[in-house]
Amino acid sequence: DAKTTQPPSMDCAEGRAANLPCNHSTISGNEYVYWYRQIHSQGPQYIIHGLKNNETNEMASLIITEDRKSSTLILPHATLRDTAVYYCIVRAPYAGNNRKLIWGLGTSLAVNP
Amino acid sequence: NAGVTQTPKFQVLKTGQSMTLQCAQDMNHNSMYWYRQDPGMGLRLIYYSASEGTTDKGEVPNGYNVSRLNKREFSLRLESAAPSQTSVYFCASSEQGTGALKLFFGSGTQLSVL
Repeated sequence: DAKTTQPPSMDCAEGRAANLPCNHSTISGNEYVYWYRQIHSQGPQYIIHGLKNNETNEMASLIITEDRKSSTLILPHATLRDTAVYYCIVRAPYAGNNRKLIWGLGTSLAVNP
Repeated sequence: NAGVTQTPKFQVLKTGQSMTLQCAQDMNHNSMYWYRQDPGMGLRLIYYSASEGTTDKGEVPNGYNVSRLNKREFSLRLESAAPSQTSVYFCASSEQGTGALKLFFGSGTQLSVL
């Protein structure tokens, strides 16, 4: 599975858009990009995933560049409750018995009032 | 709908003691997982169960055993706890399929081994 690179920390003002970047320059053609977040002391929470096209759901938008070497998670109107560590992970679809996701250290997002 | 439930939330053990962490999910998922999370490190997979009746080692299985009791429940056992097993443990579940891997996590167990 391809490795990802994320900035260790970011700040965002409450009510503004938070744009979290992720670099995955060695991504393969069949690897999905996933985003999870972990609010302090809680279990990680799935946010969104995509393959090639941009995706949007009730939590966030995912923008994947045309060459798929990087992506951006967008929280359109960040709130204090969005303060969390955000993880970007890339992984090929399930094959055989391999269910492993490689978790890095993520980006610690602080949303400030 | 409770999702993934872990017990206990906190536990303190002495070196050499044994204990079992319990996990149950009510989403009818086939696959279940145990992760540990240590400061300064990403989540690491201990064991997983792709479906009822099967279990497989993850990245850091030494010192642990698991049991997939039925489709709902997946337990993690420490036979002889060591200080190196002090960590936060998370259980997760997912659908079994050939597409994207979407995990649902429990709220974690904070374990200290003295």
